[in-house]
Amino acid sequence: EVRLLESGGGLVQPGGSLRLSCAASGFTFSNYAMSWVRQAPGKGLEWVSGISGSGGSTNYADSVKGQFTISRDNSKNTLYLQMNNLRAEDTAVYYCAKEPRRDGYNPFDYWGQGTLITVSS
Amino acid sequence: DIQMTQSPPSLSASVGDRVTITCRASQSISTYLNWYQQKPGKAPKLLIHTASNLQSGVPSRFRGGGSGTDFTLTITSLQPEDFATYYCQQSYNTPRTFGQGTKVEIK
Repeated sequence: EVRLLESGGGLVQPGGSLRLSCAASGFTFSNYAMSWVRQAPGKGLEWVSGISGSGGSTNYADSVKGQFTISRDNSKNTLYLQMNNLRAEDTAVYYCAKEPRRDGYNPFDYWGQGTLITVSS
Repeated sequence: DIQMTQSPPSLSASVGDRVTITCRASQSISTYLNWYQQKPGKAPKLLIHTASNLQSGVPSRFRGGGSGTDFTLTITSLQPEDFATYYCQQSYNTPRTFGQGTKVEIK
């Protein structure tokens, strides 16, 4: 059974940093690309960043480019999102999502339960 | 960026109704179109990928169609558990953009 478990969310002040983690199980982690998708309160879904199975290719939404960094540790079956210089508009539930292939632009076939980031003073 | 526009933003329907949601892309995306269902407080769930392919375990009353710029999600006979918000999403290129969602409510 595929399982994705996010952690690291919470309340952070504007300008602060946070690192999200997503622990994966139930599949060969290195064989699949992964992404982070966020959802602001009461709003729709926004893809944030993606990474290939090897970790050698990454992509970002323009809204977070230069601010967020996606990475993965295939030896630990864990996906990360380093978020710096956080702003109020980054407040959202952040989901990690598995893709069905190692590379390319794919749908998201499994999702974690999400972790809430609140940026506020 | 490719813009995805869903219509209607919301609809009211009864159990047993046939419901159709439309998604339009701002440029051709071939069949790189996916549909998700999200219930309140839950993560989205993939229903259909590449326009018309039912994800494993999804009931056959969900049907997807279309290609190029115009796509549809049809629920052939609405069930109580189908009341939710539905999103389309393109996987043609990056950034992978979503529609704004369609909320299906009980009439």
